[in-house]
Amino acid sequence: KAGVTQTPRYLIKTRGQQVTLSCSPISGHRSVSWYQQTPGQGLQFLFEYFSETQRNKGNFPGRFSGRQFSNSRSEMNVSTLELGDSALYLCASRGQGAAFGYTFGSGTRLTVV
Amino acid sequence: GENVEQHPSTLSVQEGDSAVIKCTYSDSASNYFPWYKQELGKGPQLIIDIRSNVGEKKDQRIAVTLNKTAKHFSLHITETQPEDSAVYFCAPNTGGFKTIFGAGTRLFVKA
Repeated sequence: KAGVTQTPRYLIKTRGQQVTLSCSPISGHRSVSWYQQTPGQGLQFLFEYFSETQRNKGNFPGRFSGRQFSNSRSEMNVSTLELGDSALYLCASRGQGAAFGYTFGSGTRLTVV
Repeated sequence: GENVEQHPSTLSVQEGDSAVIKCTYSDSASNYFPWYKQELGKGPQLIIDIRSNVGEKKDQRIAVTLNKTAKHFSLHITETQPEDSAVYFCAPNTGGFKTIFGAGTRLFVKA
């Protein structure tokens, strides 16, 4: 069974640019979550999608957005990049229903210069 | 909102010793209690979980215990090995569409 695939693995962008990150969940998983991981802040919840609908959102500015497609693949977008957006962005999928654990991808390392 | 605390933030043990990490949560509706292990350069990996109708679960050298009354659960690793060195996260969940992770515990196992 293929795992969660995130592309690209590494990205370097300039302040003010925008970026799109991609996530392909495990086949059959309809729930996809995104987290930002930084050394000082741990894993911060961005949003969770289920059946193409955003079900919950974390405490991030509107520059962070996402979407989910009918095949459950998900993208997240960050516009007007700031230096503080440099982080590891992790995508995770899980099975339907309550009380299921996440399967994480390896993440996309974003560096903003 | 949900408040999740992990202790200790750093733990250093000698190979062969036991390690215990505690997670305290605030939402009494939490009914799923997983632990994740993150190694360098990788995403977190689910290593063990427990549901609210069970008090303890074991899987070889790792175990999770739950105290719902006191709202905490713990990860126990026995006979630690160097490959257990990693960051461990708890992530109690109510089954809803938002999971808050603890801040993480960095475990060092000295050979």
